[in-house]
Amino acid sequence: NAGVTQTPKFRILKIGQSMTLQCTQDMNHNYMYWYRQDPGMGLKLIYYSVGAGITDKGEVPNGYNVSRSTTEDFPLRLELAAPSQTSVYFCASSRTGVGYTFGSGTRLTVV
Amino acid sequence: GENVEQHPSTLSVQEGDSAVIKCTYSDSASNYFPWYKQELGKRPQLIIDIRSNVGEKKDQRIAVTLNKTAKHFSLHITETQPEDSAVYFCAAVRNDMRFGAGTRLTVKP
Repeated sequence: NAGVTQTPKFRILKIGQSMTLQCTQDMNHNYMYWYRQDPGMGLKLIYYSVGAGITDKGEVPNGYNVSRSTTEDFPLRLELAAPSQTSVYFCASSRTGVGYTFGSGTRLTVV
Repeated sequence: GENVEQHPSTLSVQEGDSAVIKCTYSDSASNYFPWYKQELGKRPQLIIDIRSNVGEKKDQRIAVTLNKTAKHFSLHITETQPEDSAVYFCAAVRNDMRFGAGTRLTVKP
């Protein structure tokens, strides 16, 4: 049981490039979330999903897209990377909307 | 959406003293309030949580209290130890989880 797995762990992007942050969970959790954490700050919700085929915007969705085609996977897409998207990205999942399990994070730098 | 405020932003205590971190929330429909501990470079780890139908919960040296009427909840750590040094986040959950800005706790030996 690997829990929540995020890849890659680190990435450097150039301004305007695109990338997908991967998140997979093997706990059969319905709820999945993407957060970003800027240095010295709290976590801000980007998008979340309550089940396959359903996604909703969080606090800071601009510049990002998500999809949820399976229960296990919840990828986060950055289409045109900007320096303001430099952050640590955490994926999380939960079975019932409580007791979140976090992945180990992806540290993204946009230069 | 839900807004969670957390105070203080930094807290320094002597080993063995108690530490208290306070949070307020805006959405009266929020019904679950977890607390997370985050060490440098690590993921947040759940340390204690409380549901809206409970006023207080304890787990060894850690306790959380909830005042639904006032919409605030607090984390209490007793007999602090140097390994308690970390950033602590409160959160409130209705449909999704919103975090406070965090409290950096330093426990001096």
